[in-house]
Formats: sequence, structure tokens, C-alpha cells
Amino acid sequence: DQQVKQNSPSLSVQEGRISILNCDYTNSMFDYFLWYKKYPAEGPTFLISISSIKDKNEDGRFTVFLNKSAKHLSLHIVPSQPGDSAVYFCAASAGNQFYFGTGTSLTVIP
Amino acid sequence: SQTIHQWPATLVQPVGSPLSLECTVEGTSNPNLYWYRQAAGRGLQLLFYSVGIGQISSEVPQNLSASRPQDRQFILSSKKLLLSDSGFYLCAQGGGDYASYNEQFFGPGTRLTVL
Repeated sequence: DQQVKQNSPSLSVQEGRISILNCDYTNSMFDYFLWYKKYPAEGPTFLISISSIKDKNEDGRFTVFLNKSAKHLSLHIVPSQPGDSAVYFCAASAGNQFYFGTGTSLTVIP
Repeated sequence: SQTIHQWPATLVQPVGSPLSLECTVEGTSNPNLYWYRQAAGRGLQLLFYSVGIGQISSEVPQNLSASRPQDRQFILSSKKLLLSDSGFYLCAQGGGDYASYNEQFFGPGTRLTVL
């Protein structure tokens, strides 16, 4: 049972435009949400996170939005750069356990 | 800062052979440790997590097992590999004395191919 879902397996965006990656979850007990970026044959690296008590967190070009009523979060990258091309995983945690989505492969076209 | 080591980096094993993947962490004590698997075209599947020495929680019943003989060492094992065990295995660390339990840091991964 997939508790965290990323329904778009891939996304292509022109350089300089906005990339929006979406994530849905089912467990209302999740209290912390994270986004990871992953290059092939490497471990994921932490990108940005948000606590369930907030609805927005911004770090440079990256902003995460949380809509608890819809059990939905999104990652906005503005402006998108070719180096942002990677697989992005969203994750949710409750206590010691983390649950990851299946990932969205982002391609930023120069 | 936390550093996570995994070895080997790549491994090719025949079906039915045993497996031992090792993960060690530096930079913190009392970490929570995790094993994930990323199969081709799929997300990160949590296999095991450990909150302390000798404490292992299994998320998915399968032919894999995990052990934590030391605070900063986490081992993934199998007595007999299956074809479906092929994938990219990631060790992760969360929390510990000097880190937030809300975040996870990943090792470089081990690419396992079972033939």
C-alpha cells in the first residue's frame, strides 16, 4: 500500500521556467515532509522539508507547499536550471519511519 | 556532519548465493539506521530500520535480513538471493545525538544484480 504517491513519473520544463512537482499522501499522521533529489547511481540528497504546522517553506529557488486538507504537497523550482535534471522523491515521516514516493524524473531543457 | 559508507559499490551475484552488504556511519552516535531498496522504475522501498544495537524492525517480509552489531554499523544479508532482489540498495541515517530525527541522510548505495 503506497502511502506517498507521485503520480507523474516524468516532467520536462524549459530552462528558466517553473518546475512543479506534486506529491499526495494518505496518512494523516504524517507530521514532516521532505523532498530529495537523486542522480543515477547515487544516494538521494536532501533538498528541502516542511513541518505539518506550516504551509510553505522557501529556500532559494526551491519552495515547498503543503495543503493538509488535501493531503498534498508540491515542490516549486524557479527558475529551473539544467543542473536540476534528476529524479525527485517526496517523503513523509511519522516518528521513526519514512515513506517515499516513486519519484518524478525532471528534465530541464536548455 | 554525517558520513555514510556503503560497500561494495556494485555487486553481481548468482541466484541462490548469499549476500552481505555493509553500512557504517560517522559523525553521530545513537542514529536511527535504515535500509531501502530502489528497484528499476520504482520508488524507495523501506526494508528495515533500527533504533539501536540489536533492534531491527522489518517492513516487508522477504528473504532478506538485517543486523546491527554495533551502534554505527548496519548489515543487510540474505542466505539465498532471488532474481527479484536486484536493485539499488541504500543505507540511510536519521537522528542521532547531533542530528535531527526529522531528516535522513543517504549513503552512496550498492548496485546489486542477481543473475
